[in-house]
Amino acid sequence: DTGVSQDPRHKITKRGQNVTFRCDPISEHNRLYWYRQTLGQGPEFLTYFQNEAQLEKSRLLSDRFSAERPKGSFSTLEIQRTEQGDSAMYLCASSLRGQMLNTEAFFGQGTRLTVV
Amino acid sequence: AQSVTQLDSHVSVSEGTPVLLRCNYSSSYSPSLFWYVQHPNKGLQLLLKYTSAATLVKGINGFEAEFKKSETSFHLTKPSAHMSDAAEYFCVVSDRGDMRFGAGTRLTVKP
Repeated sequence: DTGVSQDPRHKITKRGQNVTFRCDPISEHNRLYWYRQTLGQGPEFLTYFQNEAQLEKSRLLSDRFSAERPKGSFSTLEIQRTEQGDSAMYLCASSLRGQMLNTEAFFGQGTRLTVV
Repeated sequence: AQSVTQLDSHVSVSEGTPVLLRCNYSSSYSPSLFWYVQHPNKGLQLLLKYTSAATLVKGINGFEAEFKKSETSFHLTKPSAHMSDAAEYFCVVSDRGDMRFGAGTRLTVKP
């Protein structure tokens, strides 16, 4: 396993269209995170999963956003009716949650979304 | 709720001089703390982590950070900056689950 993989790397879409991104975490990792990063800003937390359960969602995650992690493996992030403000880099990360604390998260290269 | 504040948005140093990037955190629990680096058009890479073991943590590329609970700080240091250290640095706090990033500090290294 070479790390966290995200697909596609780049996506250009017209406003109003739906888009879906995929993230494949490191295979033994039970936690998976989604972040959004805009130019000059730090990554903003969107949501995370422990196995297949979505444990927390940020207020940033409007009704147009939905994330799933069926079977606790890969995850998808869907944005419906995209808006220009959705243009950003979408980052996925995974980590291993042990009994006590989290290990560090490993990040994918991200999916850059441009809404025109 | 957990949060992290990076006190400087931009730090500029000369090559060969020390680096100090400041980070303060807030957490209701015993947090894990991390520093990540992001080079232009590159992914986020872990520099070092604190997870309640030794308070002085050594990372990659000569970076260190010291966890000071009384000051709720986790500042990142390096004795001698190298040109290749120029990048964006993020302090991250995690207590029960999610990981929260600071706004980042852009490090510039002058020749």
